[in-house]
Amino acid sequence: DVKVTQSSRYLVKRTGEKVFLECVQDMDHENMFWYRQDPGLGLRLIYFSYDVKMKEKGDIPEGYSVSREKKERFSLILESASTNQTSMYLCASSSFGFNQPQHFGDGTRLSIL
Amino acid sequence: GENVEQHPSTLSVQEGDSAVIKCTYSDSASNYFPWYKQELGKGPQLIIDIRSNVGEKKDQRIAVTLNKTAKHFSLHITETQPEDSAVYFCAASINQGAQKLVFGQGTRLTINP
Repeated sequence: DVKVTQSSRYLVKRTGEKVFLECVQDMDHENMFWYRQDPGLGLRLIYFSYDVKMKEKGDIPEGYSVSREKKERFSLILESASTNQTSMYLCASSSFGFNQPQHFGDGTRLSIL
Repeated sequence: GENVEQHPSTLSVQEGDSAVIKCTYSDSASNYFPWYKQELGKGPQLIIDIRSNVGEKKDQRIAVTLNKTAKHFSLHITETQPEDSAVYFCAASINQGAQKLVFGQGTRLTINP
């Protein structure tokens, strides 16, 4: 089974801090994604990556950056955390090709105080 | 860009009855439509998907229908059971590159015993 592991289930940070969310997948997938999930808004794509060191902006990239130095690891960075970034963050991965399912981690609930 | 609308936002049905969740999409180029189930404290998990060259697909008690002309697709769950209680998300995608998914807002399904 595909396993996508997010480093923290819960995280509390302060406004202005630099925050790192880590995601690791064990299936050698080319594609990796970061979403945020808010009630009534579904899942919204922040950034994705289709290869090592490659990244593309999603629908809501403002205030975030990403890093993919190794194929299995995709990091989401909040450069200067703000209260409106309090949310559930979900990482996903998929293999290359059409109609490949995305496999999700269990999420990190991030609170910015 | 693509926009996906999902209804209803909440749905309560009696155990054994059927449940239907509907989604509409805006981009006629979308050609892949997965459905995800998210249980409490877990990440979304793919339960069924359909390609645009297919009108209906079934897997045991769940089925998905697609109407390309009207740009809508639906999830049908028959003989509902308590373990079907969860949040369900529809999504749409165009087969390009890393295949970004655009998600609906989610439906919280509750099965009453």
